[in-house]
Amino acid sequence: EDQVTQSPEALRLQEGESSSLNCSYTVSGLRGLFWYRQDPGKGPEFLFTLYSAGEEKEKERLKATLTKKESFLHITAPKPEDSATYLCAVPGSNQGGKLIFGQGTELSVKP
Amino acid sequence: NAGVTQTPKFRVLKTGQSMTLLCAQDMNHEYMYWYRQDPGMGLRLIHYSVGEGTTAKGEVPDGYNVSRLKKQNFLLGLESAAPSQTSVYFCASSYEPTGDSGDTQYFGPGTRLTVL
Repeated sequence: EDQVTQSPEALRLQEGESSSLNCSYTVSGLRGLFWYRQDPGKGPEFLFTLYSAGEEKEKERLKATLTKKESFLHITAPKPEDSATYLCAVPGSNQGGKLIFGQGTELSVKP
Repeated sequence: NAGVTQTPKFRVLKTGQSMTLLCAQDMNHEYMYWYRQDPGMGLRLIHYSVGEGTTAKGEVPDGYNVSRLKKQNFLLGLESAAPSQTSVYFCASSYEPTGDSGDTQYFGPGTRLTVL
């Protein structure tokens, strides 16, 4: 069964305190891993797609990495505006382009 | 270019009432999706469409119906609302199937539905 698990559920950081979010997945034949950011009361906003183990992508203070079993979202020197819920998702094994989402990690960065 | 829009933004229903949620996209996307988001459950797929005139069931389709009469619109219907359908509903669209170097999904702002 396709499954995505994110940890921790919630993370509180001080401004400038670097950390990582984890996304572990079980799917038959990975066809991409997606990271989204979701602000309160809004829809998910696309951040990154990773397709193969060893791949890395960066955007400002965020860097996403991928292994054969999990992905990490590294946050370097976070700022309060990085506070949001971060979601990861993988396409399901069946056709149709459906995404299987994890429960998300709620990140709070205090000044 | 508005992207993906959803109507209404908020709605309160009584048990047994019906309603339709409208999703519209102006990106000429073939694929459209309806998700619901509940605390601790993440986003779960209700129904999806791979093109005009087509629909298919997702992970949690019971109690919902959908229609895709026009390429740019995807409607989600609740025929007889139940308190268990209290949730935030998101519509998404993509040009190609997600994955295999295909397009990501673009999400609307959501509809917050409460069923009393």
